[in-house]
Amino acid sequence: DAKTTQPPSMDCAEGRAANLPCNHSTISGNEYVYWYRQIHSQGPQYIIHGLKNNETNEMASLIITEDRKSSTLILPHATLRDTAVYYCIVRVRSYNTDKLIFGTGTRLQVFP
Amino acid sequence: NAGVTQTPKFQVLKTGQSMTLQCAQDMNHEYMSWYRQDPGMGLRLIHYSVGAGITDQGEVPNGYNVSRSTTEDFPLRLLSAAPSQTSVYFCASTPTGLGGAIQYFGAGTRLSVL
Repeated sequence: DAKTTQPPSMDCAEGRAANLPCNHSTISGNEYVYWYRQIHSQGPQYIIHGLKNNETNEMASLIITEDRKSSTLILPHATLRDTAVYYCIVRVRSYNTDKLIFGTGTRLQVFP
Repeated sequence: NAGVTQTPKFQVLKTGQSMTLQCAQDMNHEYMSWYRQDPGMGLRLIHYSVGAGITDQGEVPNGYNVSRSTTEDFPLRLLSAAPSQTSVYFCASTPTGLGGAIQYFGAGTRLSVL
């Protein structure tokens, strides 16, 4: 199964864009990239996902490189409430399998 | 809209005891799964189910059993609790189908085994 690699921690000033990188060099052609975040010890919260095109929603943007070996999650205007652990995940799906492969995540600290 | 409901929220067990962690979803999702999260770590998949009557093992299945008799419920059973099973357990569900879809997580069950 494809693995993901993320920096363990990052800081960001409030109001600035937070750019969180992720490497997934062994991803297969039909595997999606998902981003979730976890605030304190709550259940993970879905942010965004994509296959090969860039995606944007009300929370964030996802930029996936053309070779699909890496991606970047962008929080355009970080707030203190965005402080959390962010997980870049490869979703492995087939007719009888549906798995999210979590890495260890990036702890984002947003400071005033 | 209840979403994914896990019970209990907290549990303390003695080594060797058995118990069942409950998970229920009201979204008619076919796919359900159980994860564990140890301190400072990401989530690891224990067992999952792609529909009623079908279950399969994830990354760390040893010491756990599951069954899926209905679409709504996916209980996780600890057969003989061990201190190594002290963790936070999350249940998740998602609709199946083509393309990407979102997994919805419960609030978690915090388990301590003494």
